[in-house]
Amino acid sequence: GAGVSQSPSNKVTEKGKDVELRCDPISGHTALYWYRQSLGQGLEFLIYFQGNSAPDKSGLPSDRFSAERTGGSVSTLTIQRTQQEDSAVYLCASSLAYQSTDTQYFGPGTRLTVL
Amino acid sequence: AQTVTQSQPEMSVQEAETVTLSCTYDTSESDYYLFWYKQPPSRQMILVIRQEAYKQQNATENRFSVNFQKAAKSFSLKISDSQLGDAAMYFCAYISDGFGNEKLTFGTGTRLTIIP
Repeated sequence: GAGVSQSPSNKVTEKGKDVELRCDPISGHTALYWYRQSLGQGLEFLIYFQGNSAPDKSGLPSDRFSAERTGGSVSTLTIQRTQQEDSAVYLCASSLAYQSTDTQYFGPGTRLTVL
Repeated sequence: AQTVTQSQPEMSVQEAETVTLSCTYDTSESDYYLFWYKQPPSRQMILVIRQEAYKQQNATENRFSVNFQKAAKSFSLKISDSQLGDAAMYFCAYISDGFGNEKLTFGTGTRLTIIP
């Protein structure tokens, strides 16, 4: 079946603008995760959803970052008033259920460049 | 907090040869899972292999195998008969077992180059 998809593939924006990144998980996967990969770095966990709820938002870097998930499917990560340090690849993953035994499957990511 | 360390930023291997990528981790927990993910230039993270900490037997997937040393907190990946398509960034990752342990902790990666 189809894997995790993300859009846009690449996004270039100006400092101070808002951006929305979209993630469409694998059908039937109830858990959804957002990670950030900065240049030369590993992946940094941002937030996860179980269904439509996000029990732990502590990974979000600042209050300019927010995420929502509706209908237990598509999720949107919003970054307000973007800064240059927000430039990174944002990866989304999904898993069948909300437990560590379920493998996380990743999308191709959105490369965000803030000028 | 758990940490994952990959001490080899870059590795190279001749095609058809064998290469081993190193990973160490730090945790106080006894139940957890370890992973190797591959990230080619397409950016998509692809699961290569997974190891449950409670299993003594090392996981294998075709040409990929791991050397899991729980006491030493070491989890290396061996790629046999290296192929050009194996060229990628490889990330080692850790996740605790149980509910409420939802996030993967990643190392900083090893860039693997295959020499034809």
